[in-house]
Amino acid sequence: QLQLQESGPGLVKPSETLSLTCIVSGGPISTDTYYWDWIRQPPGKGLEWVATVYNSGATYYNPSLRSRLTTSVDTAKNRFSLKVTSVTAADTAVYYCARRRPTTVTTGYFDYWGQGALVTVSS
Amino acid sequence: DIVMTQSPDSLAVSLGERATINCKSSQNILYNFDNKNYLAWYQQKPGQPPKLLIYWASTRESGVPDRFSGSGSGTDFSLTINRLQAEDVALYYCQQYYKTPPTFGQGTKVEIK
Repeated sequence: QLQLQESGPGLVKPSETLSLTCIVSGGPISTDTYYWDWIRQPPGKGLEWVATVYNSGATYYNPSLRSRLTTSVDTAKNRFSLKVTSVTAADTAVYYCARRRPTTVTTGYFDYWGQGALVTVSS
Repeated sequence: DIVMTQSPDSLAVSLGERATINCKSSQNILYNFDNKNYLAWYQQKPGQPPKLLIYWASTRESGVPDRFSGSGSGTDFSLTINRLQAEDVALYYCQQYYKTPPTFGQGTKVEIK
C-alpha cells in the first residue's frame, strides 16, 4: 500500500523559506506512470494546487506562486521536496503531498495523499 | 483559471436518504477528442486528507461504495450519495483537470439531519 508522509517545521517566520519533504513508501517514486504533487489548504478554506515534479526532475508550478517555488525529487531516497520563499501569513496552510494520475504533465487527479503538514507563518 | 462552484455549501440529510451535491465549471471540461469529462470528486473527513471517490465524472475509484455516483457533462456535474450513512459525514470537493492549474470547488459539507 502506497503511503506518503510530509515532514517539515510547523512554524516559519515571515519573509523566510518554508521547506517540506514528502517521503514515499510502498512504491517507487521513479515510476514513469505518475507525477508527484503539492497541494495546500489554508485553515477553513479550500484546496489549491501548488506544484508538481516528475521522476526526471521536471517541475511545473502554479503560475500564481511560480516565482517563489522550487520542487525537487530524490529517487534514491524515494522522496520529493518543496520550498516556498518569502513566505507571508497567506502561506499558512496544511500542505499535502499527493500522487497524481496524469492526463497531461500538469493535469490529472490525485489518488494518494499524505496526512498533511500544518505550516504556520508567524513571527 | 477554471473556477469550480459547488452548491449548496452545506446540506443536512436523514440517514438512509439521498444527498446530491452540484458542481459547475466556468468553462466546458468535456474534451471532444476523447469524449471524457475531466472532473473528479473527493471526500474529506475532519483531520484527514481528501480521498478520491470518482474520476472522469462518473468512474468510481476502486473500493468506493456503489452508493456514491457521479453524473453530468460539459459544465454541470453532480455527486449523489444514496442511502446516506453516518460515515459519509464529510466535506466533498469537485476538481477539474481539463486545464492547468487543476482547480477545486469550495467544498460542500454533508451532515446528518
